[in-house]
Amino acid sequence: EAGVAQSPRYKIIEKRQSVAFWCNPISGHATLYWYQQILGQGPKLLIQFQNNGVVDDSQLPKDRFSAERLKGVDSTLKIQPAKLEDSAVYLCASSRTYGGLGQGAPDTQYFGPGTRLTVL
Amino acid sequence: GENVEQHPSTLSVQEGDSAVIKCTYSDSASNYFPWYKQELGKRPQLIIDIRSNVGEKKDQRIAVTLNKTAKHFSLHITETQPEDSAVYFCAASIWGGKLIFGQGTELSVKP
Repeated sequence: EAGVAQSPRYKIIEKRQSVAFWCNPISGHATLYWYQQILGQGPKLLIQFQNNGVVDDSQLPKDRFSAERLKGVDSTLKIQPAKLEDSAVYLCASSRTYGGLGQGAPDTQYFGPGTRLTVL
Repeated sequence: GENVEQHPSTLSVQEGDSAVIKCTYSDSASNYFPWYKQELGKRPQLIIDIRSNVGEKKDQRIAVTLNKTAKHFSLHITETQPEDSAVYFCAASIWGGKLIFGQGTELSVKP
């Protein structure tokens, strides 16, 4: 099966500019995640979608970051305006579903190749 | 909220030796613990995972152990090979929702 696709792979922008990242999950996967991975650290969840609904966006800096998954398949993450500290790799992951509290067995998350963002 | 601590941050072993990476978690409700391997510039790849209803799981040269009472879990790699060199991340989640990752361990296997 095809893996999680992301584009672009690399992006360089100046601070205060805007940028958008695209993710296409594995076919049939209902749950989609966006993680931010700063150099030398583990990934940190920004937002989790179940189909086209938001499950968790508690760590998303909503004053500058937004994300959508309008048709429950592809997703876009936007940053506007970008800051220097936004320089990171943005990873998209998908899973068939997620267990939720007591809803069933947890499901494997598969990661895309990521988009490396550099803010100058 | 959940916090995952991972040690050591770097680990260097000779080819053929064993490597052990340890993680502790804070939220006793966590019940799913995957391990990911990330090579430089590549995506994280799942290598093994364990659920809270088992104490140990093995897959060829890789094994993971879980101690729910102490809230820690460990990755064991035996007969290490140069291609095992990478950054390894542990993670914890509740029912497979968002993953809380450790800080990563850079493993170097010297030929």
